[in-house]
Amino acid sequence: NAGVTQTPKFQVLKTGQSMTLQCAQDMNHEYMSWYRQDPGMGLRLIHYSVGAGITDQGEVPNGYNVSRSTTEDFPLRLLSAAPSQTSVYFCASSRALSRGKAYYGYTFGSGTRLTVV
Amino acid sequence: DAKTTQPTSMDCAEGRAANLPCNHSTISGNEYVYWYRQIHSQGPQYIIHGLKNNETNEMASLIITEDRKSSTLILPHATLRDTAVYYCIVSGNAGNMLTFGGGTRLMVKP
Repeated sequence: NAGVTQTPKFQVLKTGQSMTLQCAQDMNHEYMSWYRQDPGMGLRLIHYSVGAGITDQGEVPNGYNVSRSTTEDFPLRLLSAAPSQTSVYFCASSRALSRGKAYYGYTFGSGTRLTVV
Repeated sequence: DAKTTQPTSMDCAEGRAANLPCNHSTISGNEYVYWYRQIHSQGPQYIIHGLKNNETNEMASLIITEDRKSSTLILPHATLRDTAVYYCIVSGNAGNMLTFGGGTRLMVKP
């Protein structure tokens, strides 16, 4: 199993450019989430999804779009990059917590380090 | 989701038990307590979760008070590799949306 795969690992964008951060999981997890982590800070939830075709906003959704057309993929789109979006972005996936079933929490990817100049 | 309060930092001697407290006084009946940790710049790692009863797995033990207003994560024999930021999270909704706070920075010292 590859787990949660994020691409690219590093990216430099110019202000105003758009790009898509890719996230794929091969564990058939229902839940997927995107977080950003600024230097020295905790993680903040951007968007999350509870299944294919269903997405919702987290704490800091402005400037980002997501879609979930398949169970496996959850891409994050930056519409018009700004220096304030310089951060490390983590994608994560999890099965639903359900009584009587094993639960292993969210599995996180290794992150995408984005710099906007 | 209920908010949590954790100490900013803690030290622990290698080989000793690390006890990390978390207050969640506004927790509601259907909310679980989750613990994650983040080592250096890696993605967070799930440790353990619980609702009412104490829980133990190969990584740690989770002790939840009877009134559920606080909990303690116990690493029974801390090693240098346990140095990390530990996050206590309270969430309902079957765990679909986790909000990370500031966490506790645990430093395990030789």
